[in-house]
Amino acid sequence: QQQVKQSPQSLIVQKGGIPIINCAYENTAFDYFPWYQQFPGKGPALLIAIRPDVSEKKEGRFTISFNKSAKQFSLHIMDSQPGDSATYFCAAINSGSARQLTFGSGTQLTVLP
Amino acid sequence: SAVISQKPSRDICQRGTSLTIQCQVDSQVTMMFWYRQQPGQSLTLIATANQGSEATYESGFVIDKFPISRPNLTFSTLTVSNMSPEDSSIYLCSVATDYNQPQHFGDGTRLSIL
Repeated sequence: QQQVKQSPQSLIVQKGGIPIINCAYENTAFDYFPWYQQFPGKGPALLIAIRPDVSEKKEGRFTISFNKSAKQFSLHIMDSQPGDSATYFCAAINSGSARQLTFGSGTQLTVLP
Repeated sequence: SAVISQKPSRDICQRGTSLTIQCQVDSQVTMMFWYRQQPGQSLTLIATANQGSEATYESGFVIDKFPISRPNLTFSTLTVSNMSPEDSSIYLCSVATDYNQPQHFGDGTRLSIL
């Protein structure tokens, strides 16, 4: 059973655009929501994370928006660059469950020059 | 964050053989995990490597197929046993320095079974 649903599967934007990746979860016990960025041939790298008591978090050009009542969260990439082209995974953790990551299905982002 | 080294980075193996993948961290970490990632797919947790005790396996993964060791707080191994082409995948190690810290991943081992 997929507990974190991620969309879209792929996304193509022009340089400078603002790609938005959406995730929805079912388990209300989740209490930590990281995003990972993965380049080909590399492991996922932690990009930014949020806890459910915060509605928005910004780190550089990356912003997470969190809607606890809707059980949804999204990643926005401001002023996207070709170097941002990668696969992005949302994830969720239930701290009471040995902190196991539950991953979304991933979004392959392409930023055109 | 901790520096995570996985060995080998890739391998091509014959059907029926076994391969042991190593995960070395440059500092002591509380938690270590092993994941599998099919090409172009998401990550699936295989097991949590517990120091000094048996690993905790997720549904669909068994100790006989994926034995795991964790002799100390900086090192773990995952063995893929009696390999078949279906085991061709990327195997990733992740670590968390403490229970309230995020997980960080190694670059994985790309395994192909002929």
